[in-house]
Amino acid sequence: GAVVSQHPSRVICKSGTSVKIECRSLDFQATTMFWYRQFPKQSLMLMATSNEGSKATYEQGVEKDKFLINHASLTLSTLTVTSAHPEDSSFYICSASGTRVQTQYFGPGTRLLVL
Amino acid sequence: GENVEQHPSTLSVQEGDSAVIKCTYSDSASNYFPWYKQELGKGPQLIIDIRSNVGEKKDQRIAVTLNKTAKHFSLHITETQPEDSAVYFCAATPNTGNQFYFGTGTSLTVIP
Repeated sequence: GAVVSQHPSRVICKSGTSVKIECRSLDFQATTMFWYRQFPKQSLMLMATSNEGSKATYEQGVEKDKFLINHASLTLSTLTVTSAHPEDSSFYICSASGTRVQTQYFGPGTRLLVL
Repeated sequence: GENVEQHPSTLSVQEGDSAVIKCTYSDSASNYFPWYKQELGKGPQLIIDIRSNVGEKKDQRIAVTLNKTAKHFSLHITETQPEDSAVYFCAATPNTGNQFYFGTGTSLTVIP
C-alpha cells in the first residue's frame, strides 16, 4: 500500500517552454502533497505544500508564478514549471500524506533537463 | 523552526558489518521520526519510523533508537549487504502528515 506515482519520469525541453509533472497517490487519499527539488548529492528542498482544494503554500524563495501547483483532487497534484530555463534543471520529487497515512510517501521523481 | 543534523555524510562498511547513522533535532515538539532510503535516480523510500512514545523499534536487520531527552535518534543496520548501499535520510516532524525536516543525508557504501 501507499504507492505514489509520478509522470513523466524524465523530460527534456527547450528553454522557454512549460513542463507539467503529475503526482498521483494510487491507493490512498492524499489530503496533503508536497513538492521537493533535489540537486545532485544534496538533500531534499521543500518547494511547496498543497492541500486538496486549497492554494499551495510556497517556501521562501520559491516563485509561485514560476512553479504552479494544483491539487484538484485527493489523488492528484500537478507541478507546472513555466518558462523553464536551464537553471530549472533538477530532480523534482513529490510526496503525499493523508489522514490515515501518517507519513509522507514519495514518488519516484522526475528528472527535468532544460536545454 | 526545526533543525535536523545528520552524521556521518559518508559511510563505508564491509559486507556483514553494522552501520550506524545518527541524527539530532532541535524542536522538542517533534514527535515523529522517519528514515528514508534513496537509491540513485529514485525517490526516497520509507524504511522505518519511530514515534516519540517509543524508545526503539526493529524490523529485521534495521532498527531505530530514539533518545528524547538528548534529542537524537539513530538508524542501525546489521549484517549489511551490498544492496544496502544508498543514501539515507532522517527526518523529524512535530506533527505527522505535515512538513518534514530532513537531515542532509548519509551515503552508505557496503563493500563486498
